[in-house]
Parts: sequence; structure tokens; C-alpha cells
Amino acid sequence: DADVTQTPRNRITKTGKRIMLECSQTKGHDRMYWYRQDPGLGLRLIYYSFDVKDINKGEISDGYSVSRQAQAKFSLSLESAIPNQTALYFCATSGVRGTGSSGANVLTFGAGSRLTVL
Amino acid sequence: AQSVTQLGSHVSVSEGALVLLRCNYSSSVPPYLFWYVQYPNQGLQLLLKYTTGATLVKGINGFEAEFKKSETSFHLTKPSAHMSDAAEYFCAVSGGSARQLTFGSGTQLTVLP
Repeated sequence: DADVTQTPRNRITKTGKRIMLECSQTKGHDRMYWYRQDPGLGLRLIYYSFDVKDINKGEISDGYSVSRQAQAKFSLSLESAIPNQTALYFCATSGVRGTGSSGANVLTFGAGSRLTVL
Repeated sequence: AQSVTQLGSHVSVSEGALVLLRCNYSSSVPPYLFWYVQYPNQGLQLLLKYTTGATLVKGINGFEAEFKKSETSFHLTKPSAHMSDAAEYFCAVSGGSARQLTFGSGTQLTVLP
């Protein structure tokens, strides 16, 4: 099984619908992230969480919300999807314990969730 | 504040030729620098990283990168390209203990037979 699992892998929805993307990990990492990938723009950070009670906005959080249900689970919601949220979404994790400070920056990525909003 | 610029959104090389992917960064504190690779329909995976110490960093699959502080660069190289190297490559920077990793816009590498 993958270390970082994202569901669904592909989703097509309509404008105005609520969408949730889920992420679970077996790495035992304390830090989890949601990124969005668009062609020519690289990856942009939406939200990140350093533990269950620590959730922070990233570069492009407008229109998104997150929930850290447990150390291993971090979900991303689009309350009312719009077409310009069509993108490839990645969940990532990183750990600090036993790795030194640089370990906190090494991300393990899921395979991605491709979302299309019509 | 930190940022990354990758020069060239698309790079094509012949199989067996040198691969050079360029990355320049800006950071207000000593940076940690990373290269990630993304194969089609997959997530990103770490190629190599620079934190402190030796400025020439070796990674997986024969890739290496050199941190040049005076040039604020961290270019990725491989002496001889292989068809399996075709992928998208991302440079990323984190300012020491910064809570965020900032990615460049990516370079798509094509390897021609």
C-alpha cells in the first residue's frame, strides 16, 4: 500500500457542488500539506498542518477549507466548486522526529487527485 | 520571503547527452534546496537535497546538483541522459526552519532517441 493515499484519484463535478478530497498516510509523519498543481505554475500551497491542532493557510487558501481529523488524515474541501479550481491536487507529508530539521522539509507525496469542475 | 525561478519550461536532449536544468532561488535566510521529479501520472519524489555542508550533492539515478551561494543557483545535472529520465523536474527552496517549501514552475525534460 502507498505511504500517502489520496481519494478520489479522479473527479468530475459541476459548478457549485461541494467536493471533499481525502488524504491518509502511514508514514507516521506529523506534518501534512495540500498543494495544487497547474501547468506552468508549479505547485502552490493551499493549507498545511503541523499537528492536529495546528492548521495554517498557504499561498492560495481562498475557496478551500481543510480538516485534520487525526494525525494520519487530512482532508481538503471545496465548499462551492468553480471552474478555475480545476487542477491536480496533491497531498504531502513530512516528519521531524529523528530526522533533524532538514527532515521537516522532505515531502512524501500522494499520487494526486485530478479534479475537473464543469 | 523565498522564491524559485526555473529557466526553461521545456528542455530537450538527445539520449546520452548532458542534462542541465537551471534553478535560481532567493531566500532571506540560508536556504535548504531540493530537486523533485514527477513521472507521468505520479506524485513528486525527491531526487536530492542540499541542507548544509558539501555544496555538490548527489542524488538518485545519477543526478547531482551544486549549490552556488554567490550565484544563488542550484542547477541539476546528469552526464548522460537516459530515456527513462523524461519527466518534469521541480526545484524547491525552504528557508532553513521555514514552515513552507516553495516550488518553481517546473521544467519538462524530453529525451530524444
